[in-house]
This record gives sequence, C-alpha cells and structure tokens, in this order.
Amino acid sequence: AQKVTQAQTEISVVEKEDVTLDCVYETRDTTYYLFWYKQPPSGELVFLIRRNSFDEQNEISGRYSWNFQKSTSSFNFTITASQVVDSAVYFCALKGIGSGTASKLTFGTGTRLQVTL
Amino acid sequence: ETGVTQTPRHLVMGMTNKKSLKCEQHLGHNAMYWYKQSAKKPLELMFVYNFKEQTENNSVPSRFSPECPNSSHLFLHLHTLQPEDSALYLCASSQDHQLSGANVLTFGAGSRLTVL
Repeated sequence: AQKVTQAQTEISVVEKEDVTLDCVYETRDTTYYLFWYKQPPSGELVFLIRRNSFDEQNEISGRYSWNFQKSTSSFNFTITASQVVDSAVYFCALKGIGSGTASKLTFGTGTRLQVTL
Repeated sequence: ETGVTQTPRHLVMGMTNKKSLKCEQHLGHNAMYWYKQSAKKPLELMFVYNFKEQTENNSVPSRFSPECPNSSHLFLHLHTLQPEDSALYLCASSQDHQLSGANVLTFGAGSRLTVL
C-alpha cells in the first residue's frame, strides 16, 4: 500500500523567513512519481512539481526548491524568503507505477502554511 | 474560459434533497476525476472517467452518482446525503489516465457542500 505522511499540520512564519515542508512516503513500487500541489484559499489545487523515482537531483525554481532523498523516502519542499502570497495548504502526493491501488495518486493530509507580515 | 470550472461553488442541501455538481474542462483532456476533501483527511479519490468510461469507483456509496456525457463534462448527482458527506468536492482532469503514466492533474476550485 502507498502512504504519504506530512507530519506538519500547520506552520506559521514571518515574511522573508525560509520554511521547509516535510513529506515522507511509503511504496513498494520501484518506479513512482512524487508531486507537490498548492491549495490557496480559492480552493483549486495548483501543480508545483513532479519528480520520478529515478531522478534524485534536487530542483530549484525561483524561491522554491525540492530535496528528494530515496534513502530516507523523503521529498521535502523549501520556500526561501517566504511571502504572504505563499500562504496556502501544500500537499505532497505519490503515484506508483503498476496496477490496482498503486496506480492511484495518494495524497498526504497537507500542511497549512501561514506567512504573516 | 480556460482550466477546470466547477459549479456551484457552494451548496447547502437537506438530507432528502437531490442536487448535482457540475464540472467542465476546456483543456482537451480525456480523463476526469471527482475527489472529496474533508477536514484533516487526505484527498479521497471517488471516481475516474477515461474517454467517458468510468474506470474507477473507489467504493463510493450509491447516494453519489457520477455522469460523464463527454470528455469535457462531469457531473456528480447527489441524493439522500448524510451530514458526514459535507466536504469540498474537487473535480480534476488530466490528459489521460494511463496506469503507467504520471499525468499532472488540473483541479477546479471545488464545490463546498453542506448537508443539513
């Protein structure tokens, strides 16, 4: 069975602080994909990144960076110099390659990030 | 319009009412999904349609009835719901729903349902 754990329920930071959102996953598949989505107050989930299990290179996109470590089954997300507009709920998700439930996209419970002035 | 549009954005209904949620996508995608989002729980996949055919029903109670008349439209018909069905219902679409694929989902803003 697949599982995604986002242990941080809520995080509150002051603008310009760096913040890391943790994501730990479990899967029996050797090939899988990991995702991060952002859900602002408007409701829709917005895709941020997709990473496949064979690519352990860290990625940076502007103020966002992702640290994928297969050895610890983690796919953490860091926002540098946070801004108020970053306030949202962030979801980590996993999709295994295979049949049955492994093919489904499994979401974590989300981390609510509040950035204040 | 672009993206995935859901209507209504908010719905309040009694347990004996019949209502429907509507989802429309203008992305040319072939797969559409219904998810349920409840407080402090992971998103729950309810139904998947691929090329208008239902490919997954994730043990959803029969009081929820999906309909996909074409690849651009998806409905969720609601009948005799329970208060615990109150949640945000999210529609999503993707290029297709291959088992071996890793398609990115595009989500709508959701329909907030309250069952009294």
